[in-house]
Amino acid sequence: AQSVSQHNHHVILSEAASLELGCNYSYGGTVNLFWYVQYPGQHLQLLLKYFSGDPLVKGIKGFEAEFIKSKFSFNLRKPSVQWSDTAEYFCAVKGNNNDMRFGAGTRLTVKP
Amino acid sequence: EAQVTQNPRYLITVTGKKLTVTCSQNMNHEYMSWYRQDPGLGLRQIYYSMNVEVTDKGDVPEGYKVSRKEKRNFPLILESPSPNQTSLYFCASSSYLGGADTQYFGPGTRLTVL
Repeated sequence: AQSVSQHNHHVILSEAASLELGCNYSYGGTVNLFWYVQYPGQHLQLLLKYFSGDPLVKGIKGFEAEFIKSKFSFNLRKPSVQWSDTAEYFCAVKGNNNDMRFGAGTRLTVKP
Repeated sequence: EAQVTQNPRYLITVTGKKLTVTCSQNMNHEYMSWYRQDPGLGLRQIYYSMNVEVTDKGDVPEGYKVSRKEKRNFPLILESPSPNQTSLYFCASSSYLGGADTQYFGPGTRLTVL
């Protein structure tokens, strides 16, 4: 069965620091990959997604992610975080059978 | 405005009392899904539906039922709720293009079962 692992449960950074959140998945077939963000008290919103083509995907608010097929990874990055990036981040995988698996989430706290 | 709506937003009930959480989308999406969110576990898919009258089990379907009689609606039914179903529930929908379709999430329903 497919699964998604997010390595960091809680990350604390200062403003302007660089961010990298790890995501690994296990699935044997073709996958679509997503990063969603959940700001405090709000519902999930899409940050970016990978379908095919260029493995470096750019999303909203300066986020990007790189799909490394050989490592089954889809890490999220941002060169310089802001206080407003404080949120919970979820990696998700959709397989050929259309079911979705989410990681447990990484809570990001950015200190002003 | 394109949106996914859920009702109720908050619900406190007692063990064994049947309840339904409604979900409706106005984007003509084929794909709809229910998730529960629990601390430390992220979102886990309960059921999903590829289209009207087509539903499939997700990761944690036990204790839940769904139906998809109309394209816009996808209610979640708890026939006999138990305390371990206390959780935050999200409905989502997307256009099924066979690719990396974006899911649009509802605002969530916080359910407490006493």
